[in-house]
Amino acid sequence: GQQVMQIPQYQHVQEGEDFTTYCNSSTTLSNIQWYKQRPGGHPVFLIQLVKSGEVKKQKRLTFQFGEAKKNSSLHITATQTTDVGTYFCAGQRGSQGNLIFGKGTKLSVKP
Amino acid sequence: NAGVMQNPRHLVRRRGQEARLRCSPMKGHSHVYWYRQLPEEGLKFMVYLQKENIIDESGMPKERFSAEFPKEGPSILRIQQVVRGDSAAYFCASSQSGTGDNSPLHFGNGTRLTVT
Repeated sequence: GQQVMQIPQYQHVQEGEDFTTYCNSSTTLSNIQWYKQRPGGHPVFLIQLVKSGEVKKQKRLTFQFGEAKKNSSLHITATQTTDVGTYFCAGQRGSQGNLIFGKGTKLSVKP
Repeated sequence: NAGVMQNPRHLVRRRGQEARLRCSPMKGHSHVYWYRQLPEEGLKFMVYLQKENIIDESGMPKERFSAEFPKEGPSILRIQQVVRGDSAAYFCASSQSGTGDNSPLHFGNGTRLTVT
């Protein structure tokens, strides 16, 4: 079946350091979505990428979709303690496929 | 600002009992999805429903689990004869249109099911 792999599983950074999480799919995706889940909370939609090679920015967050539409990354510049949480990518294959979530990258930020 | 409403927030059941989890989608949303999350794990798709119809239940265990989304009222995820392995957080999400339109999912706060 379709697999969406995310690395690393955990990342511990000092406040102010950068952070990147990577998402890889075994198959070509029609789109990829990113979600953030705070500890004890629920996933919250961040962004969706649709086009090959697409790059989108939200303040300190930069999202990329690979040229082959099989991988994606989320980069956070100068992390803050408010960035703590688990970041999930979710890929969709085809126009009617369900979203398949990666296992997430859990980010902790030391002040 | 009524988002996706799930209840109960926490549910404790003994082995063999039934668990009923409820989800009211966001206003204007007619597509509902149920996901299961184990500690330190990702979200595992269970079932996708549109009003009165099950669109995709490929992630749902064949036995003991069922889901419905009636014309009136919330979506219900029902687990019969619960076992300890059913303990998890169950999240409901809704979207304005179906998966074909790449609609983002809006999640509820989840129901944490504990089976003792």
